[in-house]
Amino acid sequence: KAGVTQTPRYLIKTRGQQVTLSCSPISGHRSVSWYQQTPGQGLQFLFEYFSETQRNKGNFPGRFSGRQFSNSRSEMNVSTLELGDSALYLCASSFEPGRTGLPLHFGNGTRLTVT
Amino acid sequence: AQTVTQSQPEMSVQEAETVTLSCTYDTSESDYYLFWYKQPPSRQMILVIRQEAYKQQNATENRFSVNFQKAAKSFSLKISDSQLGDAAMYFCAYRTGGNSGGSNYKLTFGKGTLLTVNP
Repeated sequence: KAGVTQTPRYLIKTRGQQVTLSCSPISGHRSVSWYQQTPGQGLQFLFEYFSETQRNKGNFPGRFSGRQFSNSRSEMNVSTLELGDSALYLCASSFEPGRTGLPLHFGNGTRLTVT
Repeated sequence: AQTVTQSQPEMSVQEAETVTLSCTYDTSESDYYLFWYKQPPSRQMILVIRQEAYKQQNATENRFSVNFQKAAKSFSLKISDSQLGDAAMYFCAYRTGGNSGGSNYKLTFGKGTLLTVNP
């Protein structure tokens, strides 16, 4: 069974641009979560999707958004990029939210650099 | 809000020796999960071991075991017979166990401990 696939692996953007990151969960998994990892702040929760609905959102500005498609694939979008958005963005999938959905399976992440 | 603290930014161990990584957490919940994840240079977060708070028995996975002290809110990871492939960043993480529709199932991570294994 293929793991969680994130594309692209690396991305370089300029301040003010927008970017879209993609995540394909493990086959059969319907829950997708996104995390931002930076040296200063560590790993922080961005949002969680289940059955095309955003269930929860972390403490990030509205420039960060996401969506989930009917095939459970998810995208996250960051508009008006700032230097501080440079980070490793990790996607994780599980069968469903809650106790029965554990454990989370992570992808290799997308490294975003904003210049 | 829950917090997770890893007080050791870096640790080193000799190959074949044993090392213990520390983690403390703060929560008012009684139903929760604790995890240790490993992140090698490949960047993928790999689940090492997990512990359900309602289980008193400490979890074990081959060379990896935990010391779960619920009252002290402590969750340390012991790696026995350390191998070169164990070198990585290790993260302790907390997640609510609540199974209600409104629960936020996010993982709250510690800052991580970088483990070096010396040959």
